[in-house]
Order: sequence, then C-alpha cells, then structure tokens
Amino acid sequence: RKEVEQDPGPFNVPEGATVAFNCTYSNSASQSFFWYRQDCRKEPKLLMSVYSSGNEDGRFTAQLNRASQYISLLIRDSKLSDSATYLCAVNREDSSYKLIFGSGTRLLVRP
Amino acid sequence: SAVISQKPSRDICQRGTSLTIQCQVDSQVTMMFWYRQQPGQSLTLIATANQGSEATYESGFVIDKFPISRPNLTFSTLTVSNMSPEDSSIYLCSVDVGGGGGILNEQFFGPGTRLTVL
Repeated sequence: RKEVEQDPGPFNVPEGATVAFNCTYSNSASQSFFWYRQDCRKEPKLLMSVYSSGNEDGRFTAQLNRASQYISLLIRDSKLSDSATYLCAVNREDSSYKLIFGSGTRLLVRP
Repeated sequence: SAVISQKPSRDICQRGTSLTIQCQVDSQVTMMFWYRQQPGQSLTLIATANQGSEATYESGFVIDKFPISRPNLTFSTLTVSNMSPEDSSIYLCSVDVGGGGGILNEQFFGPGTRLTVL
C-alpha cells in the first residue's frame, strides 16, 4: 500500500458543481495534513492545512477522518479557475516536518 | 508564507555536465528542502538543506550526485552532477515556515527549475 494515495481522476465537472476528493494515508501517527493545488507547469501552492476539527475557507472545506485514515477536500460551486491538480501531503512517520505527497487528483471544470 | 525565487527557471544541458540551481528566500527560515518532480509524477524529497552542516539525503539520493550548500538561512543551492537524460525533471526548493516545533509546519515552494538533459 502506498503511504499516501489519491484517485488520479480526472474529475470532469460542470461549473457550479460540488466535487470532493479523498486522500488516504497509511501512517496512523501522522499529525500534519495539507492540500496543495498545482497548475500545469507551476509549483504546488498551499491551499489548506487540515486541522483535526476540519476547516473551511470560502468554497473549500477540508476534513480529517483519523479512524479511516483519510483526508478530504470539498469544493462547492466549482469555477473554471478551479481546474488544476490537487495534491495531498502528510507528514512522514519519521519526521514531523518531512512531507509525503500523493500523486494528485486532476480536476477539470467545464463551462 | 514566504517569497521564494529560483534560478535558473529552466535549462537544457548536455549529458555529463553539471547544473547548479539557486534558491533564495525573502526571510530567514530554518528548514529548506529540495524536491524533484518528474513528468506526470508527484514530488519526491531529495534532501533537507541544513544551515551550517551537511545536507540530509533521502533514500536513493547521494551527495556526490546532488551536492547541496546552505551557507545561511535565506539561501541554498542544489547541484545536479554528471547529468544523464534520467535527471530531466523539475527541481523545486521549499521552505517550512512553521516556526519550529509546531505540528502544522506549512511548506511553501519556489517556482521550480525545469531541467532537460540531452
């Protein structure tokens, strides 16, 4: 089992749709969870840190499910500009600051 | 967050040569990292650049191939030595701005260096 797994997609949704991605992780002791957004030929940009209580930033909501060892990202009212690859990251078992990245989920929002 | 710049942004190099990539941050940071992202792949950590001491390399990466310098808290270089086409990739530096000791140490990335080896 990979340490961090994501469905590669692509998720192809119409504008205005709600879409959710999951990311599973294998290390039950992980404490740090993040969602990054990566546009084509650009660097990853931090979208959200994922707190144990979950957190919301506008149209974006992140949740942590420790029992099932996954984090989720919900995007409401999708915009064309949301089209990107979404990477999850989890801290490594041997380090609180070294991250393992998933392979990313590609989102395509169509008009 | 932090403002991070990298030079060069891209390069095309010949097999057997070396390229040094620079990473500059606009503020002092304790943790700096170097990643590689091969086409269609996710990010792989190469090493942690430690200020004042040797870098800490991840499994599969060695100092002779990827020497790293970290002369101060705002700057680091990664050299890709004796390049082969398999080294063609995007190389990114990142910094951790968590302030030390916190659980949610957020990492921010430089714009990357796109390397093509012929």
